[in-house]
Amino acid sequence: DAGITQSPRYKITETGRQVTLMCHQTWSHSYMFWYRQDLGHGLRLIYYSAAADITDKGEVPDGYVVSRSKTENFPLTLESATRSQTSVYFCASGIPGLVNEQFFGPGTRLTVL
Amino acid sequence: AQKITQTQPGMFVQEKEAVTLDCTYDTSDPSYGLFWYKQPSSGEMIFLIYQGSYDQQNATEGRYSLNFQKARKSANLVISASQLGDSAMYFCAMRGEFNDYKLSFGAGTTVTVRA
Repeated sequence: DAGITQSPRYKITETGRQVTLMCHQTWSHSYMFWYRQDLGHGLRLIYYSAAADITDKGEVPDGYVVSRSKTENFPLTLESATRSQTSVYFCASGIPGLVNEQFFGPGTRLTVL
Repeated sequence: AQKITQTQPGMFVQEKEAVTLDCTYDTSDPSYGLFWYKQPSSGEMIFLIYQGSYDQQNATEGRYSLNFQKARKSANLVISASQLGDSAMYFCAMRGEFNDYKLSFGAGTTVTVRA
């Protein structure tokens, strides 16, 4: 199906474990983004990518790693999960110049115990 | 850097009435875009409306309108004729001209529509 998907939708892990959240879009959008949503903060940008093999830090990148070897995929890895990374993670994709510039995935709820 | 401020954590509105959600912003970019998103309890982010900083008229999309006051740096969302399905969290966001299409979000306002 066309659109943007995230997997898993729910994840529980333990402190210190590595976790990878997947994001896949079928529109061939050049830009992709990772946000985290925490109460009182709205959405905050973690990392973004302007194209395959081009990534850059957002507002809260510490503790996260991204890669983008293919246009359609943008995985987010927590190398050593901490409790402060418990959050809802949203992936988005978009094309500059469109009015609705970012299309959001359904989100992944991550709990770090 | 961009900053978005939403000062109303939560609001109640009676069904069929209008409600205004406040949003102020700060940026040094000469050109920017302002967005509103809706997040219902199911969690997805739904784009509602967009206003460009050089747009002469306030944006409207159905029951949504954006009251853009550039000098005051405000971009309030007005929802007319509220419906029960409008109960949700609403986020104001902006993108600066030199911000590489990154969005900065406010903390959000929860709207509860009462029957």
